[in-house]
Amino acid sequence: ELKVEQNPLFLSMQEGKNYTIYCNYSTTSDRLYWYRQDPGKSLESLFVLLSNGAVKQEGRLMASLDTKARLSTLHITAAVHDLSATYFCAEGGAQKLVFGQGTRLTINP
Amino acid sequence: DAGVTQSPTHLIKTRGQQVTLRCSPISGHKSVSWYQQVLGQGPQFIFQYYEKEERGRGNFPDRFSARQFPNYSSELNVNALLLGDSALYLCASRIGDRLIEQFFGPGTRLTVL
Repeated sequence: ELKVEQNPLFLSMQEGKNYTIYCNYSTTSDRLYWYRQDPGKSLESLFVLLSNGAVKQEGRLMASLDTKARLSTLHITAAVHDLSATYFCAEGGAQKLVFGQGTRLTINP
Repeated sequence: DAGVTQSPTHLIKTRGQQVTLRCSPISGHKSVSWYQQVLGQGPQFIFQYYEKEERGRGNFPDRFSARQFPNYSSELNVNALLLGDSALYLCASRIGDRLIEQFFGPGTRLTVL
């Protein structure tokens, strides 16, 4: 059964600092997804990683995928308050996504 | 172009009642998936439909059912509602059967009292 684990589950950080969210998954899938969710809102797609070694960057966020280690990371550079949200990684099966528990990120001024 | 649309936005029901949630995919997308997100957790897969056929089913009881119409819109039905069915129900659409990229709608917030 597909299983996705994120850590940390809660992260409080200061503006300007760097941090990384880790996502471990259980199978040999080569597709990994990152989403952002604001309170009470739907999921906003951030990154789709489709192959081993894939690295994508958008603004202060950078995501990478290591299929051999079954690990994806979401790195936040010089955090700003607007990045406060819950971040989900999800493993792509043939028909469905399997989501992690989410990382609630709070960035303090 | 309009994104994925869902209706209603919010819904309040009582235990034992039945509910129908609706989803319209992005134009040109033929596959619709449904996910349940309980507060504080990640979304859980319920169903996937492609060209009106069920292509995947998650670990949900038979009280949950869905269908897809010729225009590719979809309905999710939940019978005999329980308190634990309170959640955000998300619909996602994608072009084809295989999952490469999919786009989520705004969701329907269901509260069961």
